[in-house]
Amino acid sequence: DGGITQSPKYLFRKEGQNVTLSCEQNLNHDAMYWYRQDPGQGLRLIYYSQIVNDFQKGDIAEGYSVSREKKESFPLTVTSAQKNPTAFYLCASTPGQYNQPQHFGDGTRLSIL
Amino acid sequence: SQKIEQNSEALNIQEGKTATLTCNYTNYSPAYLQWYRQDPGRGPVFLLLIRENEKEKRKERLKVTFDTTLKQSLFHITASQPADSATYLCALVNYGGSQGNLIFGKGTKLSVKP
Repeated sequence: DGGITQSPKYLFRKEGQNVTLSCEQNLNHDAMYWYRQDPGQGLRLIYYSQIVNDFQKGDIAEGYSVSREKKESFPLTVTSAQKNPTAFYLCASTPGQYNQPQHFGDGTRLSIL
Repeated sequence: SQKIEQNSEALNIQEGKTATLTCNYTNYSPAYLQWYRQDPGRGPVFLLLIRENEKEKRKERLKVTFDTTLKQSLFHITASQPADSATYLCALVNYGGSQGNLIFGKGTKLSVKP
């Protein structure tokens, strides 16, 4: 079955450490997205990529970085510059055009040790 | 910029009743509005999309309406079941911030009691 795989399910970060969250899709979608979800808040867009080797900042990109070297992969790095990284991170994809339904992975929950 | 509000954080109803969830937006009317379901610890799952020229859309026990005059969408689940218990999110295209991407409401947590 086609879908989006996020790993790991749970991740712990020490102070000053960078961590990378994995997102892989086999839907052959062009566009991929990273969101952050905090309790009582809507999903907030961190970064998105419409095509391989290109990506744009979303609304809360500070302290995060991404790469898009392959169509199926869009890893997110949470850097030590992100002072409040504890959250539920969701990766999504669409075939490419705006307004299309987004397909989501099952998230990675990041916590600080 | 566009703001989207789901005016109930939580909604509790009895099994068999119709659940009605509300989504309001503040500025321009989007061309599309989407509804998703999210279970605890899982990613959202797409349910329905309604276009601005559609008044109503149905899928099995689900019905969505879109009123551009009121700047509101209603999401109905008829003959609700405990398995319908989840958080429901509405989303629309944001032409203000990240151009053309979705913005999501905070969600309404629906609990259906047997």
